[in-house]
Amino acid sequence: GAVVSQHPSRVICKSGTSVKIECRSLDFQATTMFWYRQFPKQSLMLMATSNEGSKATYEQGVEKDKFLINHASLTLSTLTVTSAHPEDSSFYICSAREGLAGGPLSEQFFGPGTRLTVL
Amino acid sequence: AQSVTQLGSHVSVSEGALVLLRCNYSSSVPPYLFWYVQYPNQGLQLLLKYTSAATLVKGINDFEAEFKKSETSFHLTKPSAHMSDAAEYFCAVTSYSGGSNYKLTFGKGTLLTVNP
Repeated sequence: GAVVSQHPSRVICKSGTSVKIECRSLDFQATTMFWYRQFPKQSLMLMATSNEGSKATYEQGVEKDKFLINHASLTLSTLTVTSAHPEDSSFYICSAREGLAGGPLSEQFFGPGTRLTVL
Repeated sequence: AQSVTQLGSHVSVSEGALVLLRCNYSSSVPPYLFWYVQYPNQGLQLLLKYTSAATLVKGINDFEAEFKKSETSFHLTKPSAHMSDAAEYFCAVTSYSGGSNYKLTFGKGTLLTVNP
C-alpha cells in the first residue's frame, strides 16, 4: 500500500523557536495533503488541507501565521510551527491523498506522526 | 454538518471474546463512513469503509461493520479478539469541504484493551 513518512518522529524545542515537520508520500503522488493535531487521548483535529501548488485551507480557529504549510511538490508538504509555545505541544499527523480525483471515498494514507514537545 | 459519536472511550475484552465498538453518525446526506485503527505512537490505518454498495462491510484482520440507517449506526465488530488488536479505534465520516476536497471528521476514539 501507499506509504507516507514524517520527519522528525519526535522533536523537543525551546519556547519561541520554530519547528519544521516534513511529510512525504514515498511511492505515490499526493495532490492533496492534510495536517492533523492530536492531543493525548483525544481525536484527530484537522488543521488544514493543502493542495500542491496552492495555498493551504485552514480550519476555523487555526492560526495560519502560526502554522505555516507549504505543499511545494507532489511528494512533500511541510508544517512549520512558528514561535512555538508549550501549548503547541502535541502529536502532529499528516495524511496524503493520491491522484487528481478527490471524491468522498478517496483514501487518505496517514504518516506515523511527529510528537512535538515545547519546553 | 456530518459528525460521528463513539460510545465508550474504553472497551476491555478477553482474548477470544467478541469485540464490539460503537459508532453513531449524524448526517443530512448519505454518509461515507470509515473505521481506522491507531497503534501507539503510529499513524492511522484504514480498517474498512462504507461505500453504500453493501450494508455489511468486511475489512482487514477479520473486522467488519454494519451500516444501519434506521439506527444511524456503523458499529465495528470482530468475532474473536486477539492480543494484537489492542489499539485505539476511530470512526470517521467524510464531509465536503469545498472545491474538490473532502475531509474526514473523526470521533473521539475508543481504546480497546485485550486481556489474556
